Amino acid sequence: AQRVTQPEKLLSVFKGAPVELKCNYSYSGSPELFWYVQYSRQRLQLLLRHISRESIKGFTADLNKGETSFHLKKPFAQEEDSAMYYCALSPPGGYQKVTFGIGTKLQVIP
Amino acid sequence: DAGVIQSPRHEVTEMGQEVTLRCKPISGHNSLFWYRQTMMRGLELLIYFNNNVPIDDSGMPEDRFSAKMPNASFSTLKIQPSEPRDSAVYFCASSLGAGSYEQYFGPGTRLTVT
Repeated sequence: AQRVTQPEKLLSVFKGAPVELKCNYSYSGSPELFWYVQYSRQRLQLLLRHISRESIKGFTADLNKGETSFHLKKPFAQEEDSAMYYCALSPPGGYQKVTFGIGTKLQVIP
Repeated sequence: DAGVIQSPRHEVTEMGQEVTLRCKPISGHNSLFWYRQTMMRGLELLIYFNNNVPIDDSGMPEDRFSAKMPNASFSTLKIQPSEPRDSAVYFCASSLGAGSYEQYFGPGTRLTVT
């Protein structure tokens, strides 16, 4: 069974401090992994996916197959990063059933 | 493009009443998903469709929930009878289909059952 674990419901950091949102997954195989973000009063939207290997808004996420993790990182937090972040997993190809984690609320303190 | 459209945005109803949530996916998208969001359980996939056909409804909580997609531009999620524990935000999302994984979410419907 596929499962996504986000151990922190709330993460508070000061502006300018580094951010790491943790995500661990359980899946037998090589899944596709994503981070989605929901800013206040906005729609849930894709932030980044591991196959793209890109940095979006200063965020990066590295897939660690040994630790089955896909942590989201940013070296310097900004106030506008405050949002709800969801880690998500999907089997490669096929039917696209996506499993989301419970979400972590990031609060950046000015 | 207005993106995924959901209606109503807010729904307040009494226990036992029927509730129907509506979704219009992005034109050209072949996959449609219904999610439920709660504080305790986060975002849960209820059901999804590919080319209007339900593929996986294992996330539907019980027989009180049903979903249909009569055509490529419309889907409904019905709860009958509704219960207070159904109170949540229900999201609809669509995607291009096989080979494309980004899901585009609607604004959600906040359901309150009293």
